[in-house]
Amino acid sequence: EAGVAQSPRYKIIEKRQSVAFWCNPISGHATLYWYQQILGQGPKLLIQFQNNGVVDDSQLPKDRFSAERLKGVDSTLKIQPAKLEDSAVYLCASSLFGGGSTDTQYFGPGTRLTVL
Amino acid sequence: DQQVKQNSPSLSVQEGRISILNCDYTNSMFDYFLWYKKYPAEGPTFLISISSIKDKNEDGRFTVFLNKSAKHLSLHIVPSQPGDSAVYFCAADGGSNYKLTFGKGTLLTVNP
Repeated sequence: EAGVAQSPRYKIIEKRQSVAFWCNPISGHATLYWYQQILGQGPKLLIQFQNNGVVDDSQLPKDRFSAERLKGVDSTLKIQPAKLEDSAVYLCASSLFGGGSTDTQYFGPGTRLTVL
Repeated sequence: DQQVKQNSPSLSVQEGRISILNCDYTNSMFDYFLWYKKYPAEGPTFLISISSIKDKNEDGRFTVFLNKSAKHLSLHIVPSQPGDSAVYFCAADGGSNYKLTFGKGTLLTVNP
């Protein structure tokens, strides 16, 4: 079974530029998550989708971050414009059901973003 | 406001010995706890979990203990192997949003 795919793996941009990340979850997984992991910190949930609807985006900085999940499968996360503090690893995860304690989340390898 | 705390940034043990990783939490609404393991350049992978109705869960070499009154959990790895060298994240879930809150992680190094 293929895992969660993410691209690109690495991205370097100048501040105020825009950037987009792509995620393809495990086939058949209903729920998709985007996390931000700043160096030395644990992952922090940015947004959670169930199918193509947003379940939780309370920690998404909506003035610069946006995300969508196309047809309930792939997802893109965009930052526009980027700030220095956005430098982090962006992790995508998916789970089979609608989220919940026992609904195991499977993570992709992440995209490491460096903002100069 | 850190609701899940892993106070030891790193831990070094000898192969064959026991590794004990600790985690404290402050939110009494948390009712499910998980440990994830992360190798460099990879995403975290689920290792083991425990519900708040239990105080111990075991899976092979890995055992998680939960002390609700102390709001403390620990992960025991016995015996430790060099392949266990990784960053271990403690995570907690609770309330209505089923949102995982992660600690900062502990880097475990198992020396041959």
